[in-house]
Amino acid sequence: EAGVTQFPSHSVIEKGQTVTLRCDPISGHDNLYWYRRVMGKEIKFLLHFVKESKQDESGMPNNRFLAERTGGTYSTLKVQPAELEDSGVYFCASSQEGRFSGNTIYFGEGSWLTVV
Amino acid sequence: AQRVTQPEKLLSVFKGAPVELKCNYSYSGSPELFWYVQYSRQRLQLLLRHISRESIKGFTADLNKGETSFHLKKPFAQEEDSAMYYCALSGLYNFNKFYFGSGTKLNVKP
Repeated sequence: EAGVTQFPSHSVIEKGQTVTLRCDPISGHDNLYWYRRVMGKEIKFLLHFVKESKQDESGMPNNRFLAERTGGTYSTLKVQPAELEDSGVYFCASSQEGRFSGNTIYFGEGSWLTVV
Repeated sequence: AQRVTQPEKLLSVFKGAPVELKCNYSYSGSPELFWYVQYSRQRLQLLLRHISRESIKGFTADLNKGETSFHLKKPFAQEEDSAMYYCALSGLYNFNKFYFGSGTKLNVKP
């Protein structure tokens, strides 16, 4: 079974440019999450999709970040325009429908974003 | 406020020595506690959760509600245990949002 896949694995962009990160969850997983870790800090929740609907987007830093999940399958996270403080690792994760603690959350390998 | 604190950024021990990775938390409701591990060049994966009360790869963690701690322990560290360890919590009734600590890098020396 394929795991959660993220693309690109690494991205270096200039301040002011746009970057789009993509996440393909495990097939059949209704729950999809985005997390972020900036250098030296904790991994922080960004948002949670259930199928195509945003269930909780309380962790999105500001309106420069836009997340979508087309048809309840893959998800994209766009940063526009990128700022220096957006640099970090963006993790995507997915889990099956149901009570979270009864299901394991599976993480992708992360997308490393460097804004210069 | 919800917070997970891992006071040690780096922990170095010799092979065969006991290891304890500290985790303290604050949460306004009933938390569920987890340990996640990231080995070199691998993805973040669940190591254990307090609700299961199980031992994985020789690691155990006991939830101490009085001290609001969930320290990870192993009596005899192995070189293959070297990795980044993250303590995390979610709410029993808000279980789709995780709060992570900043991680502890465990280095087990031969």
